[in-house]
Amino acid sequence: ETGVTQTPRHLVMGMTNKKSLKCEQHLGHNAMYWYKQSAKKPLELMFVYNFKEQTENNSVPSRFSPECPNSSHLFLHLHTLQPEDSALYLCASSQDGADLGNEQFFGPGTRLTVL
Amino acid sequence: TQLLEQSPQFLSIQEGENLTVYCNSSSVFSSLQWYRQEPGEGPVLLVTVVTGGEVKKLKRLTFQFGDARKDSSLHITAAQPGDTGLYLCAGSSHYYGGSQGNLIFGKGTKLSVKP
Repeated sequence: ETGVTQTPRHLVMGMTNKKSLKCEQHLGHNAMYWYKQSAKKPLELMFVYNFKEQTENNSVPSRFSPECPNSSHLFLHLHTLQPEDSALYLCASSQDGADLGNEQFFGPGTRLTVL
Repeated sequence: TQLLEQSPQFLSIQEGENLTVYCNSSSVFSSLQWYRQEPGEGPVLLVTVVTGGEVKKLKRLTFQFGDARKDSSLHITAAQPGDTGLYLCAGSSHYYGGSQGNLIFGKGTKLSVKP
């Protein structure tokens, strides 16, 4: 148990569906992250929020839309996804997103399958 | 683009054997982290190395950061089945223009230790 929870753990959706992934951290951290983990590729950083402000958007397609209502919660809204978006989506948090070598605590991930 | 190359990609050994996995880059990193990820879970931080030439030990695991801060190794002594998992290295740097807290991950080494 890392203090970072993600729901749902598994999600199957069609290309025309709209769904949301939820992440919650109970660590009092100020930075939260979304990563995509695909087979045969490194973990890809998608979005970073530091003190609820988005500080990084790594050229992610607009069909992925993040939302950070407070420093404990992070959402990833999904719409009109493609089959190649199927992957494990990991949320992480850290004390401060600007600190060098900051330790990131990961949630268990949401396994997403797009049909 | 900064890349972290991990080798080997896959490693299958018997309980009690020793092993070393490598993480290499042509770029300099300010710090480097090693994570272990088990199936169905997110990565869990094992260690952070910051100083060139630094060696850190965690029970049977020995981590080394290269003198030039471009590479790192993880050595496991007398491996046990509980060491099975995906070992990821991640570098942090302010050189590539992003937030210095952001991490770049390697693809990982998948280790299987058979009893």
